[in-house]
Amino acid sequence: DAEITQSPRHKITETGRQVTLACHQTWNHNNMFWYRQDLGHGLRLIHYSYGVQDTNKGEVSDGYSVSRSNTEDLPLTLESAASSQTSVYFCASSDPGQPNTEAFFGQGTRLTVV
Amino acid sequence: AQSVTQPDIHITVSEGASLELRCNYSYGATPYLFWYVQSPGQGLQLLLKYFSGDTLVQGIKGFEAEFKRSQSSFNLRKPSVHWSDAAEYFCAVEGGGNKLTFGTGTQLKVEL
Repeated sequence: DAEITQSPRHKITETGRQVTLACHQTWNHNNMFWYRQDLGHGLRLIHYSYGVQDTNKGEVSDGYSVSRSNTEDLPLTLESAASSQTSVYFCASSDPGQPNTEAFFGQGTRLTVV
Repeated sequence: AQSVTQPDIHITVSEGASLELRCNYSYGATPYLFWYVQSPGQGLQLLLKYFSGDTLVQGIKGFEAEFKRSQSSFNLRKPSVHWSDAAEYFCAVEGGGNKLTFGTGTQLKVEL
């Protein structure tokens, strides 16, 4: 079955370190998204991509970057981790060619910055 | 910019009782609306979606939602709640390009 997987599921890192969270989908979806989930805020969009070599900033993009070198992967990089980036991160994908479709979410990565 | 309000942070219901979770949205055009459910430690699972047509939408697990344009609402309902429905529920509106704006979520507790 096609799916979307995130790794690692849990990570602890130190302030100032560079961290990369992986997201891999096997649906061949062109659209991919990164959200962060925080109490009292729900999920907020960090970055998104509509295809290879395309990346765009979302609502809360400061301190994060993404790259899209192939259709399947959209890694999220924290250039210099900060305690404010402790959160649960969700990757999602969707197929722009399908009318009335929804985004499919990964299981999430819980990141703790100490 | 679009926004979603879920006024109830926590709701507790008895098993077998009916449930209604409130969602109000703000969006300039015809909204695409979604309800997702998140069980502890899990990702988000789609319960139902509204794009157009019939304003009463049926979803999985016995859930339904009604789109009311005049009230800018998309409330989620279930006639009889099961203990396994305990989870967090998110309402979301699409702002174009499949980008979602979420509400802050409602935590549902089910008393046996």
